[in-house]
Amino acid sequence: SYEVTQTPSESVSPGQTASITCSGDRLGDKYVGWYQQKPGRSPVLVIYQDSKRPSGIPERFSGSNSGNTATLTISGTQAMDEADYYCQAWDSSTACVVFGGGTKLTVL
Amino acid sequence: QLQLQESGPGLVKPSETLSLTCTVSGGSISSSDYYWSWIRQPPGKGLEWIGSIYYSGSTYYNPSLKSRVAISVDTSKNQFSLKMTSVPAADTAVFYCARHHKSTSGNNWFDPWGQGTLVTVSS
Repeated sequence: SYEVTQTPSESVSPGQTASITCSGDRLGDKYVGWYQQKPGRSPVLVIYQDSKRPSGIPERFSGSNSGNTATLTISGTQAMDEADYYCQAWDSSTACVVFGGGTKLTVL
Repeated sequence: QLQLQESGPGLVKPSETLSLTCTVSGGSISSSDYYWSWIRQPPGKGLEWIGSIYYSGSTYYNPSLKSRVAISVDTSKNQFSLKMTSVPAADTAVFYCARHHKSTSGNNWFDPWGQGTLVTVSS
């Protein structure tokens, strides 16, 4: 079955750029979504179709996907961006949604 | 604004059937643009997709859970439901329902999500 892998944790200083990656075989051939989840809350979609931002998501969130890696970039990271982030893709061979294991972003 | 709300028992005994319902408000579950999904998250762990259903009743299931899962839809009530049979303690999780944007190109995402409901499997 298809798998996507995320680094378990990342840290960033306030105001700096955070990059969270998601890796999978030929992931660039698939569409990737990203979700932000704060403690005790439901996940929130922050990027879909690799790089599109839903309404209400700040411009500092951006995404890219090429080769075997998709990247969620947070520019000018704020304390409120501290959360778990999950990538998600669709495996057409098994008709199955796959999620990455999540990356805990710490802003310090 | 579309909202989803999960409901159902918070405690289920091992080997029994877990049943949850998601009520959709602020929009129609019969929209041709979307599927409707169940996703779970064990305490302290990541997200796992369970399955999705179209308003017509067409379904997709996670192959790892397919033998124990059934998702159904009731368009008259704007609801869809999950049944998971023979649950072990390891099925303890927060269960979310979500609207699933899915295209034939493979482009898909989940938005919005319900608030989630914790189901504990214990005797």
